[in-house]
Amino acid sequence: AQSVTQLGSHVSVSEGALVLLRCNYSSSVPPYLFWYVQYPNKGLQLLLKYTSAATLVKGINGFEAEFKKSETSFHLTKPSAHMSDAAEYFCAVRGSGGSYIPTFGRGTSLIVHP
Amino acid sequence: DAGVIQSPRHEVTEMGQEVTLRCKPISGHNSLFWYRQTMMRGLELLIYFNNNVPIDDSGMPEDRFSAKMPNASFSTLKIQPSEPRDSAVYFCASSGDSNFYEQYFGPGTRLTVT
Repeated sequence: AQSVTQLGSHVSVSEGALVLLRCNYSSSVPPYLFWYVQYPNKGLQLLLKYTSAATLVKGINGFEAEFKKSETSFHLTKPSAHMSDAAEYFCAVRGSGGSYIPTFGRGTSLIVHP
Repeated sequence: DAGVIQSPRHEVTEMGQEVTLRCKPISGHNSLFWYRQTMMRGLELLIYFNNNVPIDDSGMPEDRFSAKMPNASFSTLKIQPSEPRDSAVYFCASSGDSNFYEQYFGPGTRLTVT
């Protein structure tokens, strides 16, 4: 079975500060990994994905994530937070057993202070 | 591109009533997913269709829930009878063969059962 753990249900940063959202995964097969963002009252939107190519993945809005197999991690970062980054962020891992259905983490709420 | 369309956006109903949620996937996408999101349980996959056929309905909570996909451009999720614990945001998502792992989410239907 696949699983995802997002450390910290809430992360608070100041505008301009580094954003770091943590995600650790468990997978019995080489994983595909995703970060989605959910703005208030909206559906989830794909930020970036890792599909076994480059380990450093760049996404939209200046976000990037690095796949570290040794640490089973896929943390999301952004050098400088903007007020518009305030949202819920979900990490997801591809499902196992041939179903390929992604399993989502519980989400991390990013709060950006002026 | 209209994206995934869901209706209604908000639904308030009384316990015992039938509720029908609707989804129109992105044209050309052949996989459709229904999710439920609550504070307590996070994002849960309810059912997944591929080429209009239900592939995995193990997430459907009980017999009160049913889903159909009569054609490639329309799906419904029905709850009968509804209960207060069904209150949640229900998301529909779709994906295509070329990028199966990338799901495109609709804006969701916020259901409140009183």
